[in-house]
Amino acid sequence: GALVYQYPRRTICKSGTSMRMECQAVGFQATSVAWYRQSPQKTFELIALSTVNSAIKYEQNFTQEKFPISHPNLSFSSMTVLNAYLEDRGLYLCGAGDWGTSAETLYFGSGTRLTVL
Amino acid sequence: GQGVEQPDNLMSVEGTFARVNCTYSTSGFNGLSWYQQREGHAPVFLSYVVLDGLKDSGHFSTFLSRSNGYSYLLLTELQIKDSASYLCAVRGYQGGRALIFGTGTTVSVSP
Repeated sequence: GALVYQYPRRTICKSGTSMRMECQAVGFQATSVAWYRQSPQKTFELIALSTVNSAIKYEQNFTQEKFPISHPNLSFSSMTVLNAYLEDRGLYLCGAGDWGTSAETLYFGSGTRLTVL
Repeated sequence: GQGVEQPDNLMSVEGTFARVNCTYSTSGFNGLSWYQQREGHAPVFLSYVVLDGLKDSGHFSTFLSRSNGYSYLLLTELQIKDSASYLCAVRGYQGGRALIFGTGTTVSVSP
């Protein structure tokens, strides 16, 4: 079956520092990876959509300078939160899909819960 | 603008049913998906609809009306373990393909 492993599950960082999270797709080709942040109030925000061999598209209020993403192949993607502050806390989720064969299904990793002190 | 709206909470009783509503507005509709999310876990894909009407998948069904920007997820013969958050997601912003999620409806099933 299709699985996405995301790590770390949770992380605590000091205000102003950075942290990196990674996603590994198993059992399918992750041609597209979408990174989301779910706030404590459960709001889902799309950060960016990354498609292999295409430019990464960031949503309004999110920038490459703050959330650099790497998607080097069909099984791996990473995102870094640079200079994390209190407003960056939340559950970060990567959703990967093989949009060549199943255009609408995203398989999610377990999420990385970021706490900023 | 684009958005996906869902009620926050829904309470129901074991053995009955629950209908989770979703309204959306997008610039160009390319399908709507439903996900289940349990507390502390990632969303799990349930269903995808792109054509109007009812799609029966056994324990749950999904309905879509594109002209009204409306969908619902119908959970039948509810079990306690169906208690979870149910997320509606539509694709996407113009020129893009990512899913835009609602905030989810927390379904609570009581004995």
